[in-house]
Amino acid sequence: QKEVEQDPGPLSVPEGAIVSLNCTYSNSAFQYFMWYRQYSRKGPELLMYTYSSGNKEDGRFTAQVDKSSKYISLFIRDSQPSDSATYLCATRSYTGKLIFGQGTTLQVKP
Amino acid sequence: EAGVTQFPSHSVIEKGQTVTLRCDPISGHDNLYWYRRVMGKEIKFLLHFVKESKQDESGMPNNRFLAERTGGTYSTLKVQPAELEDSGVYFCASSQVKGTGELFFGEGSRLTVL
Repeated sequence: QKEVEQDPGPLSVPEGAIVSLNCTYSNSAFQYFMWYRQYSRKGPELLMYTYSSGNKEDGRFTAQVDKSSKYISLFIRDSQPSDSATYLCATRSYTGKLIFGQGTTLQVKP
Repeated sequence: EAGVTQFPSHSVIEKGQTVTLRCDPISGHDNLYWYRRVMGKEIKFLLHFVKESKQDESGMPNNRFLAERTGGTYSTLKVQPAELEDSGVYFCASSQVKGTGELFFGEGSRLTVL
């Protein structure tokens, strides 16, 4: 079983739609959860970072962690074509290394 | 401030050849990481340097891979001899603080082994 599971998509939505991206993880000891965004031919860049359970909001982006169900979500409101990218969920092991999901490719059509 | 830079951006080699990838971290970042993404799979950790010391190399696939960080600045990752399954994108990342410090990734070095 993978430590972090993520549906690779692709996911295609019209501009302005609300996007929901999700991951599950297996180890209940994980405490730090991240969403990275990766544009084509670029490296991942940190989008959102949360600790333990709860919500975190940054502009059009909301990250949500439910530790009881080991579920991580990223919501994008009023999606824009510039949001088209691969979104990677990740958690951090106790040694500090990142454990990534496979990434979901999102396309927002104008 | 310059970000993490990686060289080459793309390398095409034949099976059995040697390739060396280079990473220049952000100046002042003691922590340097190598990750790899092979086709259709998730990005996976390879190893972690703190300055010039290997802190964690549990992700290195086998002894054909050798990573160095002499002087605690730039790092190299050598694959010798390369195999077909080594094809993928190799990412380098650096951070100032271990643990919860944000990792800054380079654009990656794409390796194609024919």
